[in-house]
Amino acid sequence: EAGVAQSPRYKIIEKRQSVAFWCNPISGHATLYWYQQILGQGPKLLIQFQNNGVVDDSQLPKDRFSAERLKGVDSTLKIQPAKLEDSAVYLCASSWAGTGTTNTGELFFGEGSRLTVL
Amino acid sequence: LAKTTQPISMDSYEGQEVNITCSHNNIATNDYITWYQQFPSQGPRFIIQGYKTKVTNEVASLFIPADRKSSTLSLPRVSLSDTAVYYCLVGLYNFNKFYFGSGTKLNVKP
Repeated sequence: EAGVAQSPRYKIIEKRQSVAFWCNPISGHATLYWYQQILGQGPKLLIQFQNNGVVDDSQLPKDRFSAERLKGVDSTLKIQPAKLEDSAVYLCASSWAGTGTTNTGELFFGEGSRLTVL
Repeated sequence: LAKTTQPISMDSYEGQEVNITCSHNNIATNDYITWYQQFPSQGPRFIIQGYKTKVTNEVASLFIPADRKSSTLSLPRVSLSDTAVYYCLVGLYNFNKFYFGSGTKLNVKP
């Protein structure tokens, strides 16, 4: 079974530039998450989708970050304009739970996209 | 949200049993407790999950007391490859939200 795919693995940009990350979840997984992990810290939930609807985006800096999940499958996370403090690994995860079901807590993570903002 | 508290780091030697305790005083009735493992340059990986008492799988055991205000992840006979960060999660499972804490960095020495 294919895992969660993310691209690019690495990205270096200058501050005020824009960047986009792509995630393809495990086939059949209804729930998709984007986490931001700064070096030395635990992953921070940015946004959670259930199919193509947003469940939680309370920690997403909406003035510069945006995310969408097209047709309830792939997802893109965009940062515009980037700041130095956005340097982090952006992790995408998926789980099987769909609408009306309880998520058991097993998230499957991709390898992440490492962003360096200079 | 039930906040979790874990030791920042722990040291152990190969072959020893390691117990990592997580405190979650405000756990809700419907919350499950889940532990994840993360190696450098990788995403977290699910280890084990439980609601109460004891759960065991091929990798670890999870002990949860009756009041559920804490939990202990037990790793039997650790090896160097168990060096990683371990996260305890207590999520709003009915609403499918999962928040990670700072984790415990386990360092296994030869």
